Amino acid sequence: SQTIHQWPATLVQPVGSPLSLECTVEGTSNPNLYWYRQAAGRGLQLLFYSVGIGQISSEVPQNLSASRPQDRQFILSSKKLLLSDSGFYLCAWSVRTWTGGSTDTQYFGPGTRLTVL
Amino acid sequence: AQTVTQSQPEMSVQEAETVTLSCTYDTSENNYYLFWYKQPPSRQMILVIRQEAYKQQNATENRFSVNFQKAAKSFSLKISDSQLGDTAMYFCAFMKLYNNAGNMLTFGGGTRLMVKP
Repeated sequence: SQTIHQWPATLVQPVGSPLSLECTVEGTSNPNLYWYRQAAGRGLQLLFYSVGIGQISSEVPQNLSASRPQDRQFILSSKKLLLSDSGFYLCAWSVRTWTGGSTDTQYFGPGTRLTVL
Repeated sequence: AQTVTQSQPEMSVQEAETVTLSCTYDTSENNYYLFWYKQPPSRQMILVIRQEAYKQQNATENRFSVNFQKAAKSFSLKISDSQLGDTAMYFCAFMKLYNNAGNMLTFGGGTRLMVKP
C-alpha cells in the first residue's frame, strides 16, 4: 500500500531563517505531488504541484519555492521566512490515470505545523 | 476560476442522529470531480467521499452519502447515525480535470462539526 511521510511534524523558526520541509511517498511511482498551506481555521490553499522530476508549477507567488529531486520526493523551501509563512503545510499525492473518467483522488500526508516568530 | 462555498462555519448534532453539511460551487466546466474531506483534531486530511460529475447517481460510503445537484451546483454531505468520531472539520473540494497537468483541488472554507453525546 502507499504511504506518504512529512517531516518535521512541528517546526518553530525565527523570521528571516531558511526553511526546508520534506515529503516522500512510498509504494507508488510517478505520482503527482502537491504542497498546500492551511492558515489557522481556514481551508487549504494550493502552493505548488509537480507532475514529474524537476517539473514544478507554482500557484501562488510568494517567497516559497519547491523542488522535486527524485520521483517520490517533494521539498518546500524558503531562503528567508516571513511571519505570514506560519501555518500548517500539507503534502499530497495522486496517481494520474486519465482514462475515460478515472479519478485522480489526492491523498494527504500528516502535515507540518510551522510557526514563524 | 472555480470557487467553493461552505455556508455553515459550525454545526452540531446529537450522537446517532443525522446531519447534512452544505456546499455550493461555481464553475463553467462540465467534467469535474467533487470531494468531501474530513480533518479531525490530528489535522490529517482524510477522504470521506467523492463524486464524478458525469454520474447522476449520488455517491455513498457507509454512513456517508451526498446529494449532488449538478444544475444547481450543489453538493451536500449527509452523515447518518452520527458518531463521536465524526467530530472534525469537513471540507468540500472541487477538482477540474486536466489531461497533461496536475489535477488541482479547490477547497471550501470548511464546516466544523461537533457530535454531542
